[in-house]
Amino acid sequence: ETGVTQTPRHLVMGMTNKKSLKCEQHLGHNAMYWYKQSAKKPLELMFVYNFKEQTENNSVPSRFSPECPNSSHLFLHLHTLQPEDSALYLCASSQDGGWDGYTFGSGTRLTVV
Amino acid sequence: AQKVTQAQTEISVVEKEDVTLDCVYETRDTTYYLFWYKQPPSGELVFLIRRNSFDEQNEISGRYSWNFQKSTSSFNFTITASQVVDSAVYFCALSEARGTASKLTFGTGTRLQVTL
Repeated sequence: ETGVTQTPRHLVMGMTNKKSLKCEQHLGHNAMYWYKQSAKKPLELMFVYNFKEQTENNSVPSRFSPECPNSSHLFLHLHTLQPEDSALYLCASSQDGGWDGYTFGSGTRLTVV
Repeated sequence: AQKVTQAQTEISVVEKEDVTLDCVYETRDTTYYLFWYKQPPSGELVFLIRRNSFDEQNEISGRYSWNFQKSTSSFNFTITASQVVDSAVYFCALSEARGTASKLTFGTGTRLQVTL
């Protein structure tokens, strides 16, 4: 148990499907993040939420739509994805600017077919 | 722009060997933090250490040690007497301030394989 729980662990979806990734933390952290990890590429920051407000969108295509209803939950809604969107999607949380480091979930392995 | 370079893509060692993972960073910030994370096959990134830009003291934690040298913008990680359980991908990261939430920039990672 890492403190950050992501579901599902694995997801296979067609390009016309709509699905959602869920992230939940009970660490009392105020910031939550979505990262994308593709093979042989650095982890890419996608979105940052601080106290439920989006503070960063790293030029992510609109087919990825985040939602943060409260400081403990973060969603990533997916629609009309492309095969190149197949990757490991990692959620993380942090407290007070993240200077003590982030706590990461185990990720959702997404395959777009 | 911030950048973290981990030039070693993969390293293979035999158990009990010492191994050093290199990390070089670029930043224009005067205040920043450096991190090392471990990613085992299960997927989650496990926090190992944080170092701030004003503290160049080396740190040792059990078999792990870190060498921070601001003059060369490097933050190298050494595992002494490696074990099979150390097999994982290791990421070096650099944080920059973004209002009240920081932003971590990661290197591409070094895959460490420790064999018997």
